[in-house]
Amino acid sequence: GQNIDQPTEMTATEGAIVQINCTYQTSGFNGLFWYQQHAGEAPTFLSYNVLDGLEEKGRFSSFLSRSKGYSYLLLKELQMKDSASYLCAVTDSNYQLIWGAGTKLIIKP
Amino acid sequence: DAMVIQNPRYQVTQFGKPVTLSCSQTLNHNVMYWYQQKSSQAPKLLFHYYDKDFNNEADTPDNFQSRRPNTSFCFLDIRSPGLGDAAMYLCATSPRPAGEGADTQYFGPGTRLTVL
Repeated sequence: GQNIDQPTEMTATEGAIVQINCTYQTSGFNGLFWYQQHAGEAPTFLSYNVLDGLEEKGRFSSFLSRSKGYSYLLLKELQMKDSASYLCAVTDSNYQLIWGAGTKLIIKP
Repeated sequence: DAMVIQNPRYQVTQFGKPVTLSCSQTLNHNVMYWYQQKSSQAPKLLFHYYDKDFNNEADTPDNFQSRRPNTSFCFLDIRSPGLGDAAMYLCATSPRPAGEGADTQYFGPGTRLTVL
């Protein structure tokens, strides 16, 4: 079956760096998305990786290794507003989006 | 601003009483999706439309129906809501259909459904 694994919850300190990992087993691969979702709100797009390597966007970076079925989202200079769930989603060979359950990130002062 | 709008944001219904959730978009995207999301779980795709072509996920209960009268609007009808249908319902859009590339999905704010 198709599966996306992420840690359920992580805690980090304001101003620090945190890495959220995602591993996937899917039938084919056509790209990996990271979305941010604040409590009670809709997911918003953060990043898309389809080739191996690191994509940097301001304080957020996303890394992909297709051979390992692995990605991470790196958040630098953490701010309180970064407290949210971070969802990893993979597009399979049929271009269907397979979602992970999300990682709840708690930021402490 | 181009956006995805969902109404209402909060909906309360009685057990077994039909309810309709609505979604509209000003992005002019071809594809519209309905997801169900329960607390701390991944969004679960219920159906999607490519233009007027309707695609039902295999495990979507018959209790859930959808209509897309035009490009801009899409409705989710829950014919006989049960307690297990209480969830956040998310509408999303994307420019291209499945098979033509992996596209970012743009989400509306969601409707939180409570079933009493």
